[in-house]
Amino acid sequence: DAKTTQPNSMESNEEEPVHLPCNHSTISGTDYIHWYRQLPSQGPEYVIHGLTSNVNNRMASLAIAEDRKSSTLILHRATLRDAAVYYCILSGNDYKLSFGAGTTVTVRA
Amino acid sequence: GAGVSQSPSNKVTEKGKDVELRCDPISGHTALYWYRQSLGQGLEFLIYFQGNSAPDKSGLPSDRFSAERTGGSVSTLTIQRTQQEDSAVYLCASSLAPTGAGGELFFGEGSRLTVL
Repeated sequence: DAKTTQPNSMESNEEEPVHLPCNHSTISGTDYIHWYRQLPSQGPEYVIHGLTSNVNNRMASLAIAEDRKSSTLILHRATLRDAAVYYCILSGNDYKLSFGAGTTVTVRA
Repeated sequence: GAGVSQSPSNKVTEKGKDVELRCDPISGHTALYWYRQSLGQGLEFLIYFQGNSAPDKSGLPSDRFSAERTGGSVSTLTIQRTQQEDSAVYLCASSLAPTGAGGELFFGEGSRLTVL
């Protein structure tokens, strides 16, 4: 399985943007890049996914490097509710999403 | 509701007892997953059901664990002769499309199991 590398933690101030990096140097051509987040005491929730092009939705933006070996999840204006563990995951032919340790995001008021 | 429903939300049991955890996926979702999350840890894949295909049981930690999915809908995860190391939050997820095609997983709130 292609693996991802994320920082263990990041801090941000409320209403400021948050850029969460993810390295996936062994990504294959058919792997999608998925982002999920898990708020305290809840199940994970989908944030965004992409293949090659940058993606935007109501929650976040996903910027994918041209060589696809890295990507960045962008939260445009962090709120206290965005404090969570963020998981960057690759999916290919294997239908199982493997959740690593993720990045714990702390948002300061 | 329209989301993935799991029950019970909390279960406390004594070591050696059997437990059953239930998952009701989103209507129409053909794929169903069970994951386990121990305190402070990441998610551990347990089992995957896709339509009428044979399930992928490769993540089940021992033969005390089993799961079934009836009628392509509701799933039950059974743990026999529970041990203290089975204590965790058991998460169920369903999806409409395969994740390899960009499908999105919808998770339930989980069932917290505590084995005394």
